[in-house]
Amino acid sequence: DAKTTQPNSMESNEEEPVHLPCNHSTISGTDYIHWYRQLPSQGPEYVIHGLTSNVNNRMASLAIAEDRKSSTLILHRATLRDAAVYYCILRDRDYKLSFGAGTTVTVRA
Amino acid sequence: GAGVSQSPRYKVAKRGQDVALRCDPISGHVSLFWYQQALGQGPEFLTYFQNEAQLDKSGLPSDRFFAERPEGSVSTLKIQRTQQEDSAVYLCASSLAGMANTEAFFGQGTRLTVV
Repeated sequence: DAKTTQPNSMESNEEEPVHLPCNHSTISGTDYIHWYRQLPSQGPEYVIHGLTSNVNNRMASLAIAEDRKSSTLILHRATLRDAAVYYCILRDRDYKLSFGAGTTVTVRA
Repeated sequence: GAGVSQSPRYKVAKRGQDVALRCDPISGHVSLFWYQQALGQGPEFLTYFQNEAQLDKSGLPSDRFFAERPEGSVSTLKIQRTQQEDSAVYLCASSLAGMANTEAFFGQGTRLTVV
């Protein structure tokens, strides 16, 4: 499985943006970059995914570097409900999602 | 229902007991996955079904673990002769197809405690 590297934790203030980095230097040309998050006592929840171009949806934005060796998940205005573990995952023809340790995001009121 | 449903939400088993965990995927979803999540860690892949066919069971930790999806919808994960190290949250996920650009929907999980 292609590997990703994320910081263990990040803190943010409520209503401020959060930028979550992910390094994936061994990414292949057909790997999609997926982000999931897991709130306490819940199953993982899909956030966003992309291949080459930046992507936006109602939850977040995904900025992908031109060489695709890194990406950043952007939460535009953090709320207390965004406190969770965020996982950056590469997914190719392999159907399974391979989770790492993720980044624990804490949001301060 | 609108999402993936798992039952029971909590299960306490005595060591050596057999348990069965149920997953109801989203209707029409072809792909179904089971994951195991130990406390403080990310989910670990156990097995994958495409309809009723179990295409990958490489993550099952031992032959005490068995999964089935006989009619291509509901799936059951069975653990025989449970051990303390089996204590974890077991997550089920489904998706329309097992392709790289599709999203997976997860259930809330079953927390298994072996005492």
